Amino acid sequence: AQSVTQPDIHITVSEGASLELRCNYSYGATPYLFWYVQSPGQGLQLLLKYFSGDTLVQGIKGFEAEFKRSQSSFNLRKPSVHWSDAAEYFCAVGARGNKLVFGAGTILRVKS
Amino acid sequence: ETGVTQTPRHLVMGMTNKKSLKCEQHLGHNAMYWYKQSAKKPLELMFVYSLEERVENNSVPSRFSPECPNSSHLFLHLHTLQPEDSALYLCASSLLFAGGSYNEQFFGPGTRLTVL
Repeated sequence: AQSVTQPDIHITVSEGASLELRCNYSYGATPYLFWYVQSPGQGLQLLLKYFSGDTLVQGIKGFEAEFKRSQSSFNLRKPSVHWSDAAEYFCAVGARGNKLVFGAGTILRVKS
Repeated sequence: ETGVTQTPRHLVMGMTNKKSLKCEQHLGHNAMYWYKQSAKKPLELMFVYSLEERVENNSVPSRFSPECPNSSHLFLHLHTLQPEDSALYLCASSLLFAGGSYNEQFFGPGTRLTVL
């Protein structure tokens, strides 16, 4: 069965510092991978997706992610974090039947 | 209205009440989903409707009853809920292509449900 692991429940970074959020997945075939962000009291917004092709994908708000098949990882990165990036981030893998399997999420705190 | 909308945004109900959550998508999609988001738990897929036909029911208790009258509207009817059903209920939609190839899901803002 498909599964997604986000090892870090909370991460705190200083404003202007770089960010990397980890995501590992388990899926038998070529995965469809997503990163979503959720601000408090809001729904989920798609940051970026990987379906095929270039393993480094660019998303909105200056985020990027790299697909590494050998490590079953799809880590999210941003070179310089802004206070408005504080939110919860979810990695997800697209499973059969157009379903999404989500990780437990990583809460990002940004300190000034 | 654009995207995926949900009403109400907040709902407080007693265990004996009957209420409904509404979701509407303005994206021309042909699949809709209900998710439950509880504190400290991953998002749980509850129901999937594809072309207005329910194609997924993840062992959800019968006190939750979905309805999809057309490709733009999705309801979740609630009755005799329990306090542990308090959660954020998220609706999503996507466009399914022939052959089942994948596409991303777009989410609404959610309904925060509190069961007393």
